[in-house]
Amino acid sequence: QKEVEQNSGPLSVPEGAIASLNCTYSDRGSQSFFWYRQYSGKSPELIMFIYSNGDKEDGRFTAQLNKASQYVSLLIRDSQPSDSATYLCAVPTSGGSYIPTFGRGTSLIVHP
Amino acid sequence: DTGVSQNPRHKITKRGQNVTFRCDPISEHNRLYWYRQTLGQGPEFLTYFQNEAQLEKSRLLSDRFSAERPKGSFSTLEIQRTEQGDSAMYLCASSLSTTAYEQYFGPGTRLTVT
Repeated sequence: QKEVEQNSGPLSVPEGAIASLNCTYSDRGSQSFFWYRQYSGKSPELIMFIYSNGDKEDGRFTAQLNKASQYVSLLIRDSQPSDSATYLCAVPTSGGSYIPTFGRGTSLIVHP
Repeated sequence: DTGVSQNPRHKITKRGQNVTFRCDPISEHNRLYWYRQTLGQGPEFLTYFQNEAQLEKSRLLSDRFSAERPKGSFSTLEIQRTEQGDSAMYLCASSLSTTAYEQYFGPGTRLTVT
């Protein structure tokens, strides 16, 4: 059973800072990961899908995969109050269906 | 609006009653997924369809839960003999099979069992 672990937080950062969110995973063979953002009272939305070949950058978001230590990180540069949300890390289940197994999420608060 | 829609948005029911939820996916998406999310947890996968075929069911899905997608478009999730532990947000998502990693979630149906 593939699993991911996240610190529930909250992680509090000042506006303009870099927010660093971490996720550890149990299956050393995992090669791809999801990061979803979920605003309070809303449904999750995919912000990043990363495969095994290194870092991935999309705007202010960078996902980093450290296979040796079995963790994946999401960095948010120039954090804004609108980034305040719960960030869910997930790993696809086996079999190629890309069904995510989610962690419990980390709550991020960006204060002005 | 061309996103995923779910109805009803809220449902309050008494223990032992049956409930049915509906999900309308993005029109060209052939995959449809059901998840359940409780407070403080990430969504848990329940089942998914490709077109009208139900391809996978979670072991979490008890016999009281059944899902259908009869014409490969909308889907229904029925819970029979509801229990208080069924109280949760039920989320539907859809995707193309060719880009299955990119799922789009609907707003969810919040179920409260009293």
